[in-house]
Amino acid sequence: RKEVEQDPGPFNVPEGATVAFNCTYSNSASQSFFWYRQDCRKEPKLLMSVYSSGNEDGRFTAQLNRASQYISLLIRDSKLSDSATYLCVVKGDNFNKFYFGSGTKLNVKP
Amino acid sequence: GAVVSQHPSWVICKSGTSVKIECRSLDFQATTMFWYRQFPKQSLMLMATSNEGSKATYEQGVEKDKFLINHASLTLSTLTVTSAHPEDSSFYICSARVLRTSGASTDTQYFGPGTRLTVL
Repeated sequence: RKEVEQDPGPFNVPEGATVAFNCTYSNSASQSFFWYRQDCRKEPKLLMSVYSSGNEDGRFTAQLNRASQYISLLIRDSKLSDSATYLCVVKGDNFNKFYFGSGTKLNVKP
Repeated sequence: GAVVSQHPSWVICKSGTSVKIECRSLDFQATTMFWYRQFPKQSLMLMATSNEGSKATYEQGVEKDKFLINHASLTLSTLTVTSAHPEDSSFYICSARVLRTSGASTDTQYFGPGTRLTVL
């Protein structure tokens, strides 16, 4: 079983839509959680860290559910510029181990 | 966020040559840097963890003699692809770890812009 699993998509949504991604992780001792965004042929960029209480940054909301071992990312009022691949990253209990999901592709269409 | 640079951004070389890629943390010190490889339409694959002042830790299946990593200072790690072959053509990305334990503790990675290697 993979450490981190994501639905690869693609998610094709119209502008203005709300879209949600989930990501599950296998190690219950995982300590930190992140969402990164990767544009085509570019490096991943940190979108937001995910905290136990959930956190929001503008149109983006991240949630962590430790009991069910998943994190989610909600994007409201989608923009064309949100089109990208969203990577779920989980830091394990090993000091240096970060685990990457394979990414969920989002296409926002006019 | 923290800034990480990578050089060169792209390189084309002949089969059999060696290519060195540099990864620098510009405004912070990074005791740990990571090297990844990404093939088209695939996810990032961790190659190795580079620790300042010690040997790199390689992931299973990654040849340490082919992918030489040196982390000589707190702001610089290098990856050398030795005797490159066409199958080594890929997008190589480094990241630097930012670990803060004071105040609001964080442990995140910031990525360099990547190096696109093409081996003819």
